[in-house]
Amino acid sequence: DGGITQSPKYLFRKEGQNVTLSCEQNLNHDAMYWYRQDPGQGLRLIYYSQIVNDFQKGDIAEGYSVSREKKESFPLTVTSAQKNPTAFYLCASSIRAGTAYEQYFGPGTRLTVT
Amino acid sequence: AQTVTQSQPEMSVQEAETVTLSCTYDTSESNYYLFWYKQPPSRQMILVIRQEAYKQQNATENRFSVNFQKAAKSFSLKISDSQLGDTAMYFCAFMKPLNFGNEKLTFGTGTRLTIIP
Repeated sequence: DGGITQSPKYLFRKEGQNVTLSCEQNLNHDAMYWYRQDPGQGLRLIYYSQIVNDFQKGDIAEGYSVSREKKESFPLTVTSAQKNPTAFYLCASSIRAGTAYEQYFGPGTRLTVT
Repeated sequence: AQTVTQSQPEMSVQEAETVTLSCTYDTSESNYYLFWYKQPPSRQMILVIRQEAYKQQNATENRFSVNFQKAAKSFSLKISDSQLGDTAMYFCAFMKPLNFGNEKLTFGTGTRLTIIP
């Protein structure tokens, strides 16, 4: 089945530690995105990548880093510089073919930092 | 910058009834896309429906339809014959295709919809 996988579903870390969230897609999509979701708010864009080895900052990139070494993978690292890392993180991808701009989302990772 | 406003934080409706969720947006652009996403308790974001701004005809997907009023910058979602499985958070989202590969979604804060048996 084609889709987007994120692992793990729940992640717990101590304050001051870096943590990497996994995102893999087998949809052959070119673009991939990371969003953060907090209670009572919509999704906010952290980083996005149009093609391999290229990525751009979104609206709230401070304290995060990404890499795009393979088309299928777009891991997100939450660094110790992120002041409030506890949140629900969603990965998405899109094909961007013609006028098909829909983004398809993974199941998300709930990160709790204490 | 574009903004998306969903003024109804919560709504509830009896099963089989029709419900309309409101969304307004602010933009100076003429070419853009609008989406409704559904997030059930599993938290998986699911695309419900999309609308291209250049199309006057309102989009429809089975029981889901939109009322797109471009001049009023309004994009409401109508759910007909509501079902228990429609219980979810619904997010309205705006996308302006800037150039190839720079599509970014701007989301509203969501409406929590509960379908009552």
